[in-house]
Amino acid sequence: QSALTQPASVSGSPGQSITISCTGTSSDVGGYKYVSWYQQHPGKAPKLMIYEVSNRPSGVSNRFSGSKSGNTASLTISGLQAEDEADYSCSSYTSSSTWVFGGGTKVTV
Amino acid sequence: QVTLRESGPALVKPTQTLTLTCTFSGFSLTTSGMCVSWIRQPPGKALEWLARIDWDDDEYYSTSLKTRLTISKDTSKNQVVLTMTNMDPVDTATYYCARTTTVTNGFDIWGQGTMVTVSS
Repeated sequence: QSALTQPASVSGSPGQSITISCTGTSSDVGGYKYVSWYQQHPGKAPKLMIYEVSNRPSGVSNRFSGSKSGNTASLTISGLQAEDEADYSCSSYTSSSTWVFGGGTKVTV
Repeated sequence: QVTLRESGPALVKPTQTLTLTCTFSGFSLTTSGMCVSWIRQPPGKALEWLARIDWDDDEYYSTSLKTRLTISKDTSKNQVVLTMTNMDPVDTATYYCARTTTVTNGFDIWGQGTMVTVSS
């Protein structure tokens, strides 16, 4: 199973909005609603930010939103803040009953 | 409060078998919908899903690593164990365990991770 494709880096100024893409195939991202997004600060464990394409867990800021179109999922961070600077990874369930992650995107504020 | 903690050797030699234990609290793997996965991350690289075990004993494995992995659970101890055979230096990584529930179908709670180095 090939990793999902994410841009290596995305940057934005405080207050701006940025969008991170996550491209897969019809066997993963395009075929299922089980796409999730994770935030990871250096030396820390990942944190679930979005599940099932667009749902936010309790406690996650509403500045984070998710969507999907075809084989590409997206994470949008609005009102960018310094604390949002981190690595972001997407994940999807696959037709092989496995899970696959993206390569990760470094967000710079 | 849900917590998970990984434990195991920090250093293993090539060809050896790695055994990692995930000890969790705040939920039970006998409860419908509860699952635990193992995920690893080589230094500076992407996350890689390895295996998952469910409350109903279903097991899932990475296609590329399936022949080397075994996942099991001890519900009386609230533990999930991952074994990986024939370790190689490319398996050097931080290994995480994480909970999934069929409510979110995402990895909603993670352990802090344990770094494993494979070297002679």
